[in-house]
Amino acid sequence: SQQGEEDPQALSIQEGENATMNCSYKTSINNLQWYRQNSGRGLVHLILIRSNEREKHSGRLRVTLDTSKKSSSLLITASRAADTASYFCATDNNNDMRFGAGTRLTVKP
Amino acid sequence: NAGVTQTPKFQVLKTGQSMTLQCAQDMNHEYMSWYRQDPGMGLRLIHYSVGAGITDQGEVPNGYNVSRSTTEDFPLRLLSAAPSQTSVYFCASSSLGGAAGELFFGEGSRLTVL
Repeated sequence: SQQGEEDPQALSIQEGENATMNCSYKTSINNLQWYRQNSGRGLVHLILIRSNEREKHSGRLRVTLDTSKKSSSLLITASRAADTASYFCATDNNNDMRFGAGTRLTVKP
Repeated sequence: NAGVTQTPKFQVLKTGQSMTLQCAQDMNHEYMSWYRQDPGMGLRLIHYSVGAGITDQGEVPNGYNVSRSTTEDFPLRLLSAAPSQTSVYFCASSSLGGAAGELFFGEGSRLTVL
């Protein structure tokens, strides 16, 4: 079964607003990663957070990890129409990488 | 930089036919993996490899074979295609440094089994 579960399944916001996506997982992990997928394309890595880290930033991205709750969140600030894509969390447990079903983000101009 | 290259991009098979999806990377990555993506679902791990000569099963390995004779190549074989294997297949690679780390993905191979 899939390890990560994203919430919400779909999110629609206006340009300039912030977008928050959540991910829950089931087993212990080495790290958690977030990926982006534009329609019909391969996935692109956004950010990795290790199990001993609680928060990480990269540009307009902010990721948190709560290992006690087995959950993570991805915040995209000041969203742009170009951020429209599907976003997936992935958990690594000794090289067995599992992905969630993703959140489909639509940013309206 | 080529990165991860998958061929073919599109393929139509009849039930029972066999084929091989090719994956090659030029980044000298030890870790390579195959995923399938079905509508409305995330990626499901089929097989992975942590180095030449080493492969392991993922979440959905049945009906698929892999081998890793070189660091660069990781082909996925469908022995007897079934309609349930209609999907988009992604190959990914990463360097190893204690954890799998960032995955680099190919552009995908869309397979239809009639």
